[in-house]
Amino acid sequence: AQSVSQHNHHVILSEAASLELGCNYSYGGTVNLFWYVQYPGQHLQLLLKYFSGDPLVKGIKGFEAEFIKSKFSFNLRKPSVQWSDTAEYFCAVIAAAGNMLTFGGGTRLMVKP
Amino acid sequence: EADIYQTPRYLVIGTGKKITLECSQTMGHDKMYWYQQDPGMELHLIHYSYGVNSTEKGDLSSESTVSRIRTEHFPLTLESARPSHTSQYLCASSGQTSRSYNEQFFGPGTRLTVL
Repeated sequence: AQSVSQHNHHVILSEAASLELGCNYSYGGTVNLFWYVQYPGQHLQLLLKYFSGDPLVKGIKGFEAEFIKSKFSFNLRKPSVQWSDTAEYFCAVIAAAGNMLTFGGGTRLMVKP
Repeated sequence: EADIYQTPRYLVIGTGKKITLECSQTMGHDKMYWYQQDPGMELHLIHYSYGVNSTEKGDLSSESTVSRIRTEHFPLTLESARPSHTSQYLCASSGQTSRSYNEQFFGPGTRLTVL
């Protein structure tokens, strides 16, 4: 069975700081990878996804993530965060031929104005 | 506009009551899912369905039941609610795209409190 680990449970940054949220998964086969974001009071939204091809994927709102297969990682990055990025971020993985999406524990990001 | 809907958004109810959480999607998706999320915790899959008359249990055991009589509708029922059922319940759906079945779209959630 696959599992997903997000190393940082809470992150506090000032505006304009750079962001990197770690995500590691355990599964030996081909995977699809996702980052979802949940803004306060809103539902989960897809931030970006990786299926195949270029391991550096770009998502909405200036976010990007890099799939490093050798490290089983899919870290999320943003060069300069804004107050409006305050949210909870979830990494998720599914085996490419699977049927169960497995989520990490989430990282709660607070950006101070 | 294609979307996924959940009602009610908030529900406070007494122990022993029967409740049904509604989930509907207008995206034409055949796969639907229910997740349970405690505050500050990860999402756990409790039920999923591949299509009409198909239901499966997820990786987290749940006393709830689901049904899938229509493609667009996937209600979740608790026959006798208990305080341990207090949580947020998220419904999601996915469908065939050019690349994958695996991108899931989420509803706004139902926050359930059982007193």
